[in-house]
This record gives sequence, C-alpha cells and structure tokens, in this order.
Amino acid sequence: DAKTTQPTSMDCAEGRAANLPCNHSTISGNEYVYWYRQIHSQGPQYIIHGLKNNETNEMASLIITEDRKSSTLILPHATLRDTAVYYCIVRQTSRNTPLVFGKGTRLSVIA
Amino acid sequence: SAVISQKPSRDICQRGTSLTIQCQVDSQVTMMFWYRQQPGQSLTLIATANQGSEATYESGFVIDKFPISRPNLTFSTLTVSNMSPEDSSIYLCSAATETQYFGPGTRLLVL
Repeated sequence: DAKTTQPTSMDCAEGRAANLPCNHSTISGNEYVYWYRQIHSQGPQYIIHGLKNNETNEMASLIITEDRKSSTLILPHATLRDTAVYYCIVRQTSRNTPLVFGKGTRLSVIA
Repeated sequence: SAVISQKPSRDICQRGTSLTIQCQVDSQVTMMFWYRQQPGQSLTLIATANQGSEATYESGFVIDKFPISRPNLTFSTLTVSNMSPEDSSIYLCSAATETQYFGPGTRLLVL
C-alpha cells in the first residue's frame, strides 16, 4: 500500500508557483521521498527526490520538513504543460525496490 | 538516466488471444518492473523481473496469465494471455538505475 497522502486535485494559475503537499508520517529513516508526474497518455516522469535536505533541480524544488513527515513539491512558474498527475512516493534507496504508486494529485494549470 | 522503449505502443485484440509486449532499455539494468494502469486508475505493480531468474509476481497476478521473460540485462517481455475486456489497460515497463524510469506504455484494448 502507498505510504503517502496527497490531495486529490489542485488548480494553479499559469505563471504562478504550484505547491503540491504530501504527507508521509510513517516514513522510515532509510526511505527517500520521490516525486513523479504523469502527463496524460504518457509514462511517469521522474521529477526529484530527497532524504532530508531540501533539493532543487531544473524542474522543481522539494521541501522536506525537519521531522520528515511531510514534504512539498514546488513548480516555481507553472505552465499549461505542467498539467498532470503528480505522485509522491517513499522508497528505500535500493534499486531493487520498485515504486509503489498512490492516487496522486491531479494538477490543473489554468490560463 | 535510462531511455526505455516499448512495442507495440498500442493494440486492439480479440478476447481469448495473447499479446506480447517488448521492453528495451538503452543500458544494462539488474531489475526491470512491469506495471498495469487501468482506465482512470493509478499504476499497479505486476511483477519484478531479474535477469537470470524467474519473475516475482505481486498478489493478484499469476505467471500463467502474465508470463515474463528477461533474457538479458537490457530486454524484457510481458505476455498478456487469454485476454478478456478486463485486461484493457496501459502496460508500463520500468527499469531501475540510480532512480526508476518508465517506458511510454502500451495501450491495450480487448474487444
């Protein structure tokens, strides 16, 4: 079973920051927080992951609370192409452990 | 990163027939995974395929229905056997390097 809780859906105005929350209160010390997104009719796309420090890459920023029980994915300037389902997943670092998907958050970016 | 391709991209099949989906990765990987995504749903793990050993199936999935081959470190196939309309889904191949990457999916419609 998925170990995360996300809102079912969110809207964001084009050009504004999209802040997607995720609760993972039962996360273990050796589990990372991963974010993926799935644009309609495509395979899931990796966005970012982190353990306990905040992370930033060319796509997004990941803010993890100090107790690691929740995190927020930030898309700094959302565009219409960011409309997708966003999945927050906790996973051990071992590449032998597959991702387990929850229901995710459906983000709609509105012009 | 890893680039993953799948064949076919989509197919329409008659009930009672079988379809084999091919997955090719552009680099050698130890673990490959197969997922199913039913209409309007999230991804569900079918099985884990480790090169040189039999695939490990998740609860609710059996080898007779979804036989998997893993002949080398860059290739795998999933067969959907004796298909029924309930098998209409997107089937996704995934491979784990430092993180987990996904193919574009195979859209299957069973009539």
